[in-house]
Amino acid sequence: QQQVKQSPQSLIVQKGGISIINCAYENTAFDYFPWYQQFPGKGPALLIAIRPDVSEKKEGRFTISFNKSAKQFSLHIMDSQPGDSATYFCAALLNNAGNMLTFGGGTRLMVKP
Amino acid sequence: NAGVTQTPKFQVLKTGQSMTLQCAQDMNHNSMYWYRQDPGMGLRLIYYSASEGTTDKGEVPNGYNVSRLNKREFSLRLESAAPSQTSVYFCASSYRTGADTQYFGPGTRLTVL
Repeated sequence: QQQVKQSPQSLIVQKGGISIINCAYENTAFDYFPWYQQFPGKGPALLIAIRPDVSEKKEGRFTISFNKSAKQFSLHIMDSQPGDSATYFCAALLNNAGNMLTFGGGTRLMVKP
Repeated sequence: NAGVTQTPKFQVLKTGQSMTLQCAQDMNHNSMYWYRQDPGMGLRLIYYSASEGTTDKGEVPNGYNVSRLNKREFSLRLESAAPSQTSVYFCASSYRTGADTQYFGPGTRLTVL
């Protein structure tokens, strides 16, 4: 049973468009929410992260929106570029003795030129 | 600075064979992790080592063993491989567990026939 549900599984966006990936979680004890980006043949790399005490975090063209009451968070990629084509994973952390990241199922993004 | 390195890159095993996946990091990180990545399942934690000398089970530890050889190296062993262990395996490291950035290796693609 996945504790973090991610949608959509795949996404095609035109160059210059906005890519939106959504994640939902059940456990209200999660207190750190990172997004990882993975290019084909490579390991994932941290893209951006947020804590639940803020509703939005922006880094360049990438923005996380966080809705604590709905237990949802999303990644927005503004002015999407072909170089953004990758698989994106959301994750959530329980900051307890285990400190394990729980990942969503991933979204494969393709940005068409 | 190589970051996190993994060997081998590819491996094909027959059911029942054993093998060890090697991982090393040169970032002086205390914590190391082994994940498996399967389509639609995201990354799932197999085992982790919060610090040298300690190891703990993650979400999917059955069929695997680990050894934290020293601060740099963390190996994953499959004693009797099964087709269900066909997957891409990633090693990661971080300065400590919790909300610290995890740095991933390039992965090992394992096929069990």
